[in-house]
Order: sequence, then structure tokens, then C-alpha cells
Amino acid sequence: QKEVEQNSGPLSVPEGAIASLNCTYSDRVSQSFFWYRQYSGKSPELIMSIYSNGDKEDGRFTAQLNKASQYVSLLIRDSQPSDSATYLCAVPSNAGGTSYGKLTFGQGTILTVHP
Amino acid sequence: DTEVTQTPKHLVMGMTNKKSLKCEQHMGHRAMYWYKQKAKKPPELMFVYSYEKLSINESVPSRFSPECPNSSLLNLHLHALQPEDSALYLCASSQEKREAYEQYFGPGTRLTVT
Repeated sequence: QKEVEQNSGPLSVPEGAIASLNCTYSDRVSQSFFWYRQYSGKSPELIMSIYSNGDKEDGRFTAQLNKASQYVSLLIRDSQPSDSATYLCAVPSNAGGTSYGKLTFGQGTILTVHP
Repeated sequence: DTEVTQTPKHLVMGMTNKKSLKCEQHMGHRAMYWYKQKAKKPPELMFVYSYEKLSINESVPSRFSPECPNSSLLNLHLHALQPEDSALYLCASSQEKREAYEQYFGPGTRLTVT
């Protein structure tokens, strides 16, 4: 089983709809979870961090974390064509017990929002 | 605006060349990272520096040589690369706190090896 898995996509939604992106992870001790957005030809941009079970909202983005189910999701409300990008789920691991995180990325989900 | 900068934006080099990629961060972070990203794939970790010391080397070939001159700067020295090393090279930085693993990426250097 891969350490971090995302729904493979691609995902296509109409403008104004809710886009739902899902991610599961295998390391039960993971404590923090990140969503990155990457436009074609650009670098990943951190858009959400979540550390506790439940929901975290930031503008049109909501991250949901369920540690018991080892599941994290990203909802994008009122999707816009400018949201069209690849979304990467990332989970850090404590490499050698150090305090920083070695990020393991999912394969990414390509989202297209069509007018 | 990104607070992690990388130069150059694009680099074309022959297999016998020596070149360097540069990264600078202005966020006071003490961990810095090099990633390699191939098309349609997620970033792959290459090296991690913590407090200017190399902490992780993900079995990267010796033709890639990292260097961290100070807490704000990170270099990646390239020598005798292969065409399959063509990729987007990303630098990132983060804090050293367990609760703050957020990594912030620079814009990347697009490397082509001919």
C-alpha cells in the first residue's frame, strides 16, 4: 500500500460547484497534513495545513481530517476556473526522530473547473 | 510574493558541464530542502539540511552535490549529469518546530540536460 494515496482523477467540475479531493495515508502516527496546489509549470503552493480532527476553513477551502479513518480531504466551494490545477496531499514523517518533516506526497489530483 | 527564491529559472547544460543551482530564503527557517520533480509526478525529496548540516540524503547520485553556506542559502552543484536528470528542481524551507512542518517552495529551476 502506498503511504499517501489520492483519488486519481482527473476531476472535472462546473464553475460554482463544490470540488472534493480525497487523500488517505498509512502512517497512524502522522500528526499534520498539508494540501498544495500546483499550476502547470509552476511550483507547489501551500494552501491548507490541518493538525486536528475536524474541519478547518479558509475562504472557499475547507480541509477535513479524520485520524481514526486516516483520511484527509479538501473541499473547494464555488469552484472557479482559476482553481484548475493539480492538488497534492502531503504528510510529513519524522525522519530519524528529527523535529522537521520529510514530506511524502500523494500522486496528485488534476482538477479542471469548466465555465 | 514567494519568500524562497531560486536562480536560475531555466538552465540548459551539457553532460560534461558543471553548474550550480541557488536558493535563498528570507523566512528565518532553519530547515531547507532540495526536491526533484518530473512531469506529472509529485516532488521527490533529494536532500535536507537542518541548521546548515546535511541531515538526509535520499541516496542521490554523487553527480548532485548540495551545499549550505549559511542558514539562508542552499546550493546544488551539478556535474556530469545525464539526460534523465532533466526535471524541475525545487528548493523549500520550513521551521524546525514539530508543530510547524509547513514547507514553502521556491519557484524552481527548470533543468534540461543535453
